[in-house]
Amino acid sequence: AQKITQTQPGMFVQEKEAVTLDCTYDTSDPSYGLFWYKQPSSGEMIFLIYQGSYDQQNATEGRYSLNFQKARKSANLVISASQLGDSAMYFCAMRDVQGYSTLTFGKGTMLLVSP
Amino acid sequence: DARVTQTPRHKVTEMGQEVTMRCQPILGHNTVFWYRQTMMQGLELLAYFRNRAPLDDSGMPKDRFSAEMPDATLATLKIQPSEPRDSAVYFCASGSKGGAANEKLFFGSGTQLSVL
Repeated sequence: AQKITQTQPGMFVQEKEAVTLDCTYDTSDPSYGLFWYKQPSSGEMIFLIYQGSYDQQNATEGRYSLNFQKARKSANLVISASQLGDSAMYFCAMRDVQGYSTLTFGKGTMLLVSP
Repeated sequence: DARVTQTPRHKVTEMGQEVTMRCQPILGHNTVFWYRQTMMQGLELLAYFRNRAPLDDSGMPKDRFSAEMPDATLATLKIQPSEPRDSAVYFCASGSKGGAANEKLFFGSGTQLSVL
């Protein structure tokens, strides 16, 4: 069974600083994908970044990067140079290729960026 | 700009009434998901379709919920009869890679359901 754990209910960061949002996962499948989504106060779910279990390098998308440590089963999201618009809920999610291959989400981390 | 369209955006109804939520996936996408989001439970998977065939609805209360894809451009989620505990935001999402591990899902704006 899959499980995604986000241990930080809330995080605070000052504008222009970097912040790391933690995510650990549990799966026995060798092939899986890890995703981060952002949910601003408007409620929409926005895809941020993807990391495959066989990818050799950490994924990066602009100011977002994923610190993937496979042996520790962690996939932390790093946001560099935080902006006020980064204030939102952030969800880590995982998908494997066995069974019905559904996307399972963590409980989320609320990030607040202050001026 | 292709996007998943959900209707209605908001729905307020009384307990016992039927509720139908609709989703138009992105054209050409072959997977459709229904998720429910609440403060207590977070995002829960209700139903999953691949090429219009239902694959996983284990998270859906079968006695009152039903999900269908009458055609490739429409997915529906029905609740009959609705109960106050069904109050939540219901998201539809679609993907184009048939369930592959790297399939990115695109989400609709959600339907905010309030059952009084």
